[in-house]
Amino acid sequence: DSGVTQTPKHLITATGQRVTLRCSPRSGDLSVYWYQQSLDQGLQFLIQYYNGEERAKGNILERFSAQQFPDLHSELNLSSLELGDSALYFCASSVGRDNSPLHFGNGTRLTVT
Amino acid sequence: GIQVEQSPPDLILQEGANSTLRCNFSDSVNNLQWFHQNPWGQLINLFYIPSGTKQNGRLSATTVATERYSLLYISSSQTTDSGVYFCAVEGDFNAGGTSYGKLTFGQGTILTVHP
Repeated sequence: DSGVTQTPKHLITATGQRVTLRCSPRSGDLSVYWYQQSLDQGLQFLIQYYNGEERAKGNILERFSAQQFPDLHSELNLSSLELGDSALYFCASSVGRDNSPLHFGNGTRLTVT
Repeated sequence: GIQVEQSPPDLILQEGANSTLRCNFSDSVNNLQWFHQNPWGQLINLFYIPSGTKQNGRLSATTVATERYSLLYISSSQTTDSGVYFCAVEGDFNAGGTSYGKLTFGQGTILTVHP
């Protein structure tokens, strides 16, 4: 068990809808990262927050947004969902701001129908 | 951005065999990590190894940053080693571009260990 908690484990929704994925980092970790894993794109970095502030941004769509709250948990909001957004979404955390080392949650499998 | 190439793409072993997985990267890095994704989809951090050699049980890793590659060794493989092994790198500040400040993952090596 990595200590990173993600909910829900599975999510099935329809095109055009909006969903929120939640992540609690390991105790003591200040950074939270979001990744998307799909068969065609592999593991893609979306965004990182460090102690409540956005620190790095990857290939995150404008329809997606995230935030990190004062208690350090994070939420990833996906809106106007499309079939192509179906993927495994991972949250990871680390102690510092510098990607080292990353500990991943078990992921949320999103299916858009 | 930085390119990460892993080889081989697939590897099939009998239990007890040894193997070496390779990760090549296209630019200088300040961060390199190896992960194992098990058949249930969980991603486990194996090593944080921007340079040098580390060992953890039957697994060891070596990164030669000046030559831009890293190797993951698995000895006496077990069926529980099956899954996908990912290398991920972060380009250093001097590498510039979009690779600094985020990990870029390779496409992985799919390992299957038969009993």
